[in-house]
Amino acid sequence: RKEVEQDPGPFNVPEGATVAFNCTYSNSASQSFFWYRQDCRKEPKLLMSVYSSGNEDGRFTAQLNRASQYISLLIRDSKLSDSATYLCVVNPLSGGYNKLIFGAGTRLAVHP
Amino acid sequence: ETGVTQSPTHLIKTRGQQVTLRCSSQSGHNTVSWYQQALGQGPQFIFQYYREEENGRGNFPPRFSGLQFPNYSSELNVNALELDDSALYLCASSLAGGPIDTQYFGPGTRLTVL
Repeated sequence: RKEVEQDPGPFNVPEGATVAFNCTYSNSASQSFFWYRQDCRKEPKLLMSVYSSGNEDGRFTAQLNRASQYISLLIRDSKLSDSATYLCVVNPLSGGYNKLIFGAGTRLAVHP
Repeated sequence: ETGVTQSPTHLIKTRGQQVTLRCSSQSGHNTVSWYQQALGQGPQFIFQYYREEENGRGNFPPRFSGLQFPNYSSELNVNALELDDSALYLCASSLAGGPIDTQYFGPGTRLTVL
């Protein structure tokens, strides 16, 4: 089983739609969680950290369910510029150092 | 932009050759991590350097090695290149002991092995 699993998509949605991505992780001791965004042939960029209480940044809302080892990202009012691959990322904070474990990514295509 | 730079941008090598990739971390960051991203996959952790020492390693063979310099810049060396080494190599800088553990990525080096 992969350490971080995501639906690869692609999700094809019209502008203005609401879309949700889900992610599960296998290491119950994981401490930090993130969503990164990656545009085609570019580096991953931090979209937002994910906290147990849930957090929102404009049109983006992230939720963490530690009991189910489940992370979600909700994008409201999708824009053409939201088209990208969204990477679910977990940091198990084990071994005394930080490493990021990435899912394979979920591709989003927003069309007019 | 993150302030993390990498060189070269692109590189083409043949099987069996050796390659050195370079990374300059964001100002004030003391930790550099390297990742390999194959096409269609998420980045995979190679190793991390802190205070010029390797302090964590992923599931990569010893022919992947690295260095960190006193100015916190870093190199990734790969010996005896194989076709499967073709990938985007990303470095990320962070501040050990800082708030949270956010890693900021450079633009990557795209390596093609023929």
